[in-house]
Amino acid sequence: GAGVSQTPSNKVTEKGKYVELRCDPISGHTALYWYRQSLGQGPEFLIYFQGTGAADDSGLPNDRFFAVRPEGSVSTLKIQRTERGDSAVYLCASSLQGSSYNEQFFGPGTRLTVL
Amino acid sequence: DQQVKQNSPSLSVQEGRISILNCDYTNSMFDYFLWYKKYPAEGPTFLISISSIKDKNEDGRFTVFLNKSAKHLSLHIVPSQPGDSAVYFCAASSGNTGKLIFGQGTTLQVKP
Repeated sequence: GAGVSQTPSNKVTEKGKYVELRCDPISGHTALYWYRQSLGQGPEFLIYFQGTGAADDSGLPNDRFFAVRPEGSVSTLKIQRTERGDSAVYLCASSLQGSSYNEQFFGPGTRLTVL
Repeated sequence: DQQVKQNSPSLSVQEGRISILNCDYTNSMFDYFLWYKKYPAEGPTFLISISSIKDKNEDGRFTVFLNKSAKHLSLHIVPSQPGDSAVYFCAASSGNTGKLIFGQGTTLQVKP
């Protein structure tokens, strides 16, 4: 069966530009998570969706970051006015339900480089 | 503030010996702990977990120990195999929210 997929795998952009990162979760998974992993660090929580709604967006660093999941499946993470500090691997994960006890399956990530 | 800490960036072990990876946490509200394994260019994959009501959980070659009074957990891999070479992340959550807080990771190298 298909796992979590993320597109693009790599994205290079210039400072100040807008980017969109896409995540396709495992079919039937109601919970979807976005994390960000900087070099030498562990994944850092950004936002979590249960169905279409953001159940917890406490990890979004500022209002330049926004995420949507309009139909409860695919999610898009949007970053406005990108800064060099936004460079990182953006990981998406999904689970059957939004519970810590449900295994989170991660995608391979999108490596974002802001020049 | 780093709520979950893995103070050893790397560990090298001989094949067949035991690997012990350590993790410390500061938030006493954490009630569920997990270990993830990550190979290059792949996402992390779940390895093993433990609830705060237990002090040990075993799954094949992998055992996780939890010491709540010390706010410390460890992952034991025995016997270690070259295929175990990867980055290992400790993670914690509280209140069954699904939100995971990760440590910085420890790179394990198992030498043949």
